[in-house]
Amino acid sequence: NAGVMQNPRHLVRRRGQEARLRCSPMKGHSHVYWYRQLPEEGLKFMVYLQKENIIDESGMPKERFSAEFPKEGPSILRIQQVVRGDSAAYFCASSPLPGAENGYTFGSGTRLTVV
Amino acid sequence: TQLLEQSPQFLSIQEGENLTVYCNSSSVFSSLQWYRQEPGEGPVLLVTVVTGGEVKKLKRLTFQFGDARKDSSLHITAAQPGDTGLYLCAGGVNDMRFGAGTRLTVKP
Repeated sequence: NAGVMQNPRHLVRRRGQEARLRCSPMKGHSHVYWYRQLPEEGLKFMVYLQKENIIDESGMPKERFSAEFPKEGPSILRIQQVVRGDSAAYFCASSPLPGAENGYTFGSGTRLTVV
Repeated sequence: TQLLEQSPQFLSIQEGENLTVYCNSSSVFSSLQWYRQEPGEGPVLLVTVVTGGEVKKLKRLTFQFGDARKDSSLHITAAQPGDTGLYLCAGGVNDMRFGAGTRLTVKP
């Protein structure tokens, strides 16, 4: 019974390149959430997706960032033309039902470093 | 935007001591969650509190939800080095917002 799987664990990109972060939710979970965490800080909400739908993207920058959760396959967080300020840990979480009361299961994160 | 403020930001204690960390907001939450995060890993859910005034115990950890459902506390009895980590409170409706966390260090 695998948990939330994120890959890669570490990703290094040069400024201007694209970063693709993948998240496979727990089996049976159709709700996916992406968060960003800077060193010594808490988690900042980015986007909430259900299969094929973006429910809430209020925390995601309007430019360069996009997310999808297709009918088949993992959820993808894409960052185009990365800049040094994008360096952070990106965490994905999933839940079986909508709503925070159920609590979320988190993956181990992808640590993005932009050089 | 519902903001969650956690205090203290940092806490360093000796093994065996007791401690309490706090999570406060000016907003009412239908529920609050507490997570613990260790370095290099994602947060792990400890507990969800739903009812105002609710108290939940998890071994040496005691969680309380304020009567007005605006605040919560986590009390650890006889802390151990294994309790070291970042303790995060979180709340929300469709999407969960996190406090900045309390970074606890328990020295042997």
